[in-house]
Formats: sequence, C-alpha cells, structure tokens
Amino acid sequence: NAGVTQTPKFRVLKTGQSMTLLCAQDMNHEYMYWYRQDPGMGLRLIHYSVGEGTTAKGEVPDGYNVSRLKKQNFLLGLESAAPSQTSVYFCASSYGPQKGYTFGSGTRLTVV
Amino acid sequence: AQSVAQPEDQVNVAEGNPLTVKCTYSVSGNPYLFWYVQYPNRGLQFLLKYITGDNLVKGSYGFEAEFNKSQTSFHLKKPSALVSDSALYFCAVRVAGGSARQLTFGSGTQLTVLP
Repeated sequence: NAGVTQTPKFRVLKTGQSMTLLCAQDMNHEYMYWYRQDPGMGLRLIHYSVGEGTTAKGEVPDGYNVSRLKKQNFLLGLESAAPSQTSVYFCASSYGPQKGYTFGSGTRLTVV
Repeated sequence: AQSVAQPEDQVNVAEGNPLTVKCTYSVSGNPYLFWYVQYPNRGLQFLLKYITGDNLVKGSYGFEAEFNKSQTSFHLKKPSALVSDSALYFCAVRVAGGSARQLTFGSGTQLTVLP
C-alpha cells in the first residue's frame, strides 16, 4: 500500500523558474493538504482541498497555486520561484479534518 | 487565535528510562490534540490523538499522552525509551468543529535516546 506519494523528492530551481509538485494518494481520502516545513517553525499550511475540484488557502498561500482535478491527486505549483520558497514541502491526506493525517515523504526544494 | 508550544527544542534521555515530550496549547473551545513523529528524511507519522473521553490516550509504538484540561497540556510519554525512538516529535491542535485550515503544529522537539 503506497499511501501518499510525492514527486519529485529533490529539486533545485533558479529564481523565476516554475515547477509543479505532484501528490498522489491511494486511500480514497477526501481531504488533501500542502505544507511547508522550515527549521524551528513547524509545519505551515499552504493550501488544502476538501474534495475533488475544491481548493482553499491556508496560512501561507502567496506565491503558490494548487489544483485538484482528480480526487487522488493534489498539485502544487510555483509560478515564479523565489529563494524564500526554499523549503521542504509535504503533502498529506485524511478522511476528514478530525482524523489523523497521512503524510508523504516530502520534496526538498532549493531556489538559487 | 490558537497556538501550540513545545517548550523544549531538544530532549535527551537514556535508553530504558521514561521519556516525556511536553506540549501546551491554546484554543477557544474544546481541543482536538495530535502527536506526530518524523524520522530523518521522512514525512510525519501519526502517533495518537485526543478527541474526547479518557484523558490518557494510548498510541503507536508504546507511546501515550495525557490530556490535562486545567493545565492546557498534552504531554507525550513512554515508560521505557528505545534508541529507535530518536526522532522529531510534533504536537498539533485544532478546535472541535474547526475547519481543515485550523490545525496548528508546534515547532517540534528533537528526542535523542542515548544507548
């Protein structure tokens, strides 16, 4: 059972470049989330989705866009990468907001 | 606004000794509380949660946590630590009935179990 799969695992971007991070889950979860993890700051919610075709802003949405065209996939896009977006990005999914989350293994992104 | 505090960035304990990782919270309303563990280069793994009921919650890998409403705390405990318990631990809180946006994570506590 795969759980939550994130691709790619590592990426280096130049300032101004764009990229898309893919998250896929095979647990039929309704809710999906994108977080960023920075040292000493815990996890901060970027965007989330409560079902196919829906998205909503989290705590730190600026500079990111998301799409959830299929229930199992949640894409995170960076249109014009900035060094401040250097971080580790985690995708998670759950049956609902009161349930425990299942996390992917993360994407380490460096913007130079 | 809700918040979570993990007052210790680092906790060291000898193998076989009991361990405690502290967490205090602040919410307007009844809290739902969670503990997650993160091993190096891995995503977070769910350990346990408190929603309602018994204040002592048992979770994965022998961990347990005690909900204390008067002290607004939810400390993670284990009677006998293992070297393999060494990891980064996160406490999280949301208010009962809150939206998916409202799960707040603490900054994490690095637990090191010394052989």
